[in-house]
Amino acid sequence: ETGVTQSPTHLIKTRGQQVTLRCSSQSGHNTVSWYQQALGQGPQFIFQYYREEENGRGNFPPRFSGLQFPNYSSELNVNALELDDSALYLCASSSTTDTQYFGPGTRLTVL
Amino acid sequence: AQSVTQPDIHITVSEGASLELRCNYSYGATPYLFWYVQSPGQGLQLLLKYFSGDTLVQGIKGFEAEFKRSQSSFNLRKPSVHWSDAAEYFCAVMIKAAGNKLTFGGGTRVLVKP
Repeated sequence: ETGVTQSPTHLIKTRGQQVTLRCSSQSGHNTVSWYQQALGQGPQFIFQYYREEENGRGNFPPRFSGLQFPNYSSELNVNALELDDSALYLCASSSTTDTQYFGPGTRLTVL
Repeated sequence: AQSVTQPDIHITVSEGASLELRCNYSYGATPYLFWYVQSPGQGLQLLLKYFSGDTLVQGIKGFEAEFKRSQSSFNLRKPSVHWSDAAEYFCAVMIKAAGNKLTFGGGTRVLVKP
């Protein structure tokens, strides 16, 4: 059984640019959630996708957007990057058991 | 407002000693409760979870946690700490009626002295 994978591992962007982060869910999981973890803090919920539809959103602006594909993999897109967007972005997948399993994360640095 | 509090930012413990990490939540209903561990630069690994039933739950790596409804707490314990337990520990809650999102505490960093 393959766990949750994320790509890329690290990414460096400049202010104003756009970025796409990718996540492959664990086999058999149809729900993907994205979290932002700033340095020294707990993860913050960005949004969740269930069967290709957004299924809940945290307190993040519209420049954070996402997609889920028929194979349940997912993308997180961030437009007009700001310095405060520098963080570890975590993807988690789950099924009907409500237990979320996390990937290793993507470290985004905005200069 | 709903919140999860981990009162201890850092804890230092000697190898072989016991460990207890505190977690309190502020919600109207009983949430689903989780503990995750994060090694430096890594993702989160699930240690254990509580949905209902027996209030003492066993997890991986020798950890256990006890749910106390009267205290709105879900403290994590380990009887004898190993050097490999040095990491950051996060308590998280999920309120089903509010969607399947996890709300995390701020984390507790555990340092293990030889």
